[in-house]
Amino acid sequence: DTEVTQTPKHLVMGMTNKKSLKCEQHMGHRAMYWYKQKAKKPPELMFVYSYEKLSINESVPSRFSPECPNSSLLNLHLHALQPEDSALYLCASSQDGLGGQLYGYTFGSGTRLTVV
Amino acid sequence: SQQGEEDPQALSIQEGENATMNCSYKTSINNLQWYRQNSGRGLVHLILIRSNEREKHSGRLRVTLDTSKKSSSLLITASRAADTASYFCATKGYSTLTFGKGTMLLVSP
Repeated sequence: DTEVTQTPKHLVMGMTNKKSLKCEQHMGHRAMYWYKQKAKKPPELMFVYSYEKLSINESVPSRFSPECPNSSLLNLHLHALQPEDSALYLCASSQDGLGGQLYGYTFGSGTRLTVV
Repeated sequence: SQQGEEDPQALSIQEGENATMNCSYKTSINNLQWYRQNSGRGLVHLILIRSNEREKHSGRLRVTLDTSKKSSSLLITASRAADTASYFCATKGYSTLTFGKGTMLLVSP
């Protein structure tokens, strides 16, 4: 299995809802990442998990809450989001861990989130 | 924060022509990577070049890196309609991968 799987592919949620995005990889990758991408913009890093521990939080608002239950799973819990949080949320993993320099990232196809 | 800046922002060519995209960055890096993104979906890793390398090839792709000028270029030879996509350079420091603004490539049949 050489993929990163993200579910759901599309999500529409109200500003008072609580929802979760899920990301899964079975490649044994040691680091996993959440990126946010607005339309016609590059991806921006949100969180980095290395060996299932949160290593980097790029000053993301607390309405986004990441969780790494095990080495294959990464969740992003969403609560009280704003319309400006509408974006494509991308999960990625890398083979050689946080400080690795040999391999690129494997990205999932993303969850397109719309906050209404 | 974004570090890479791609040039041009958009490029339109005919099938069979070569496409060249440039990337400039500001701080020291450990490696530089290029990714392709189709229609706003997931990114696909194309090629990685380390800071001590100057040129790398993969199929129809050729990447160069000039650390003295803090710049890189991606050449796609004999382009195909299927190469139509957005291309991003991404710089890797120790721990984070930071993307540039991207080049939108349109290859017409």
